[in-house]
Amino acid sequence: AAGVIQSPRHLIKEKRETATLKCYPIPRHDTVYWYQQGPGQDPQFLISFYEKMQSDKGSIPDRFSAQQFSDYHSELNMSSLELGDSALYFCASSLGLGHAPNEKLFFGSGTQLSVL
Amino acid sequence: QKEVEQNSGPLSVPEGAIASLNCTYSDRVSQSFFWYRQYSGKSPELIMSIYSNGDKEDGRFTAQLNKASQYVSLLIRDSQPSDSATYLCAVRGFQKLVFGTGTRLLVSP
Repeated sequence: AAGVIQSPRHLIKEKRETATLKCYPIPRHDTVYWYQQGPGQDPQFLISFYEKMQSDKGSIPDRFSAQQFSDYHSELNMSSLELGDSALYFCASSLGLGHAPNEKLFFGSGTQLSVL
Repeated sequence: QKEVEQNSGPLSVPEGAIASLNCTYSDRVSQSFFWYRQYSGKSPELIMSIYSNGDKEDGRFTAQLNKASQYVSLLIRDSQPSDSATYLCAVRGFQKLVFGTGTRLLVSP
C-alpha cells in the first residue's frame, strides 16, 4: 500500500540558508500535518492543512511557512535557518473531514535536516 | 504541565514478560488515543488506537482507556527483543495529535 512520501530524506544546510521539505500524502488523504522532532524529544506539532487550507497551527516559527497544493501534497519552507532547527521533520496524513478525531495519522519516513 | 505525560523509562523487561506502558493526559475533551512505536531515527508507526473506555486487544497488544482518570495504557504480552523501541502515547481532540515524550522499552533476551 502507498505510504506518505517525504523528500528529501536528508538535507544539510548552513545557517541563514533556506530549505524546502516536501510531503506527498497517502492517496485520497486530504489532511497533512507537519511535526518536528529534536534528538530525544517527542514530535512537536507545527502546522496542519485540510483541503488546502490551514486547519491548525502549533509551535511553528515565523521563519517557517507551509502550504498544501491542489494535488494535496504539502511543502514546508524554512528560511534563515538556525542551528536549533536541526531535527527530524515528519509529515503525516489522514483521511476524512480533518475534524474526525478518530481518523488515524500515518507518518512518512521523515526528513533529517542538519544545519551547520 | 505537558498535555500528555509518560514515564521516559527505560522500562526493562525480560523476553516473554508483559510490558506495561502508561500515559496520562490533561485535556478532558480528548476523544481519541493512539499508541505509536518509534525506532531510533525512524518515523512513528501506529500500533493501537482506542476511543472508548475499556480494553481493546490486537494480537499481543492491549490498550486500556479510562477517561474518568484521564489514563491510557498499553500492555505488550510475550515481549520480544524486537519490541525494544520508544512507545509514544498520542492524544487527539479534534485536530492535531499531541504526543507524550515516549517511554523507552528494552526487552532483554
